[in-house]
Amino acid sequence: GNSVTQMEGPVTLSEEAFLTINCTYTATGYPSLFWYVQYPGEGLQLLLKATKADDKGSNKGFEATYRKETTSFHLEKGSVQVSDSAVYFCALSGMDSNYQLIWGAGTKLIIKP
Amino acid sequence: DTAVSQTPKYLVTQMGNDKSIKCEQNLGHDTMYWYKQDSKKFLKIMFSYNNKELIINETVPNRFSPKSPDKAHLNLHINSLELGDSAVYFCASSQEASGTNNEQFFGPGTRLTVL
Repeated sequence: GNSVTQMEGPVTLSEEAFLTINCTYTATGYPSLFWYVQYPGEGLQLLLKATKADDKGSNKGFEATYRKETTSFHLEKGSVQVSDSAVYFCALSGMDSNYQLIWGAGTKLIIKP
Repeated sequence: DTAVSQTPKYLVTQMGNDKSIKCEQNLGHDTMYWYKQDSKKFLKIMFSYNNKELIINETVPNRFSPKSPDKAHLNLHINSLELGDSAVYFCASSQEASGTNNEQFFGPGTRLTVL
């Protein structure tokens, strides 16, 4: 069945550091891939998505590239800010799960000034 | 304009009580969901409704009963509350239940504390 594996957190970085949060998946075919972000005290919101291999999703300086060969969708940002502190969730939607969202465990990101 | 709203935001209650959480979406979506998020931020889907019909019912105690009076509302009723029910509950909605256009929009969450 479908599954999503994210790197464990918390990830702690200094402001302006480079960020990578790893996400790998297991699925048949070509699922759609998502990153959601949850800021403290709020619900989740879609950060970016990619629906086919080699697509790059981007938003608010964050990027992730759909890599079919490595079944990965790593989240990156060149220079993080304190306001990026949040929990980040990787998710997929594919035919194995009848296109229901399958969620990763979430990675807490802490940015220190 | 709030897209997905939940009430109440905080709910503190005694063990054994019955409580309800309400959810409304004004996005015109066909599908609504309830999630439970534990203290480690792990997100677990509980229920999903599509056009008022139940389509997902994960392994959840039958003390939890969702009710969808119309497409825009999905309420969660919990009987005989237990300590382990303490969590944040999120409502969400999406245009479709399946297919590629199923981006989910989340409410702000309801923090339930059972004493």
